[in-house]
Amino acid sequence: AQKVTQAQTEISVVEKEDVTLDCVYETRDTTYYLFWYKQPPSGELVFLIRRNSFDEQNEISGRYSWNFQKSTSSFNFTITASQVVDSAVYFCALSWNSGNTPLVFGKGTRLSVIA
Amino acid sequence: EPEVTQTPSHQVTQMGQEVILRCVPISNHLYFYWYRQILGQKVEFLVSFYNNEISEKSEIFDDQFSVERPDGSNFTLKIRSTKLEDSAMYFCASRPGGKTEAFFGQGTRLTVV
Repeated sequence: AQKVTQAQTEISVVEKEDVTLDCVYETRDTTYYLFWYKQPPSGELVFLIRRNSFDEQNEISGRYSWNFQKSTSSFNFTITASQVVDSAVYFCALSWNSGNTPLVFGKGTRLSVIA
Repeated sequence: EPEVTQTPSHQVTQMGQEVILRCVPISNHLYFYWYRQILGQKVEFLVSFYNNEISEKSEIFDDQFSVERPDGSNFTLKIRSTKLEDSAMYFCASRPGGKTEAFFGQGTRLTVV
């Protein structure tokens, strides 16, 4: 079965701290895609990143970075020097069959950044 | 930048009434989806639509739900006889051919009273 686990329900940090959001996935497929979406208090879902199963290279985009490790089936997301605007619910999601299936989401991690 | 647009942003309806949630996907996208998120819970897949037909649906998408793409631009989700447990945020998403990332609308919050 395909599954995404985000064990951290809520995280609270003080502004400028670094924070890592964990994501563990399960799939038997060899070609799959992993995603992170951000849901700010306004409610929309904002696409952040996609990573395919053949690309284990870590990615950095500004203050955001992602660590994909197939050996541990994890796709963790780190925010460096967090800001209040980073406060949101963050969802990790999985699509398999070469990305042709609908997304399976984790339960999300609510991040609160306190000034 | 093109975006997925959903209307209305919030709908309140009485139990047993029919509702239609509307979406305008990004033009030239080929795959369309409806997801829902019960308050405080995870986002769940309802149905996917490709080439003018349903390509996949979840067990949530029972006979009271239907989807249509009536005119090549709109994509609608109809709930025939709403129940209290249908109260949720409903997200429309679209995806271009050859790409895997789906882009979501801002959601319609449905409240059934």
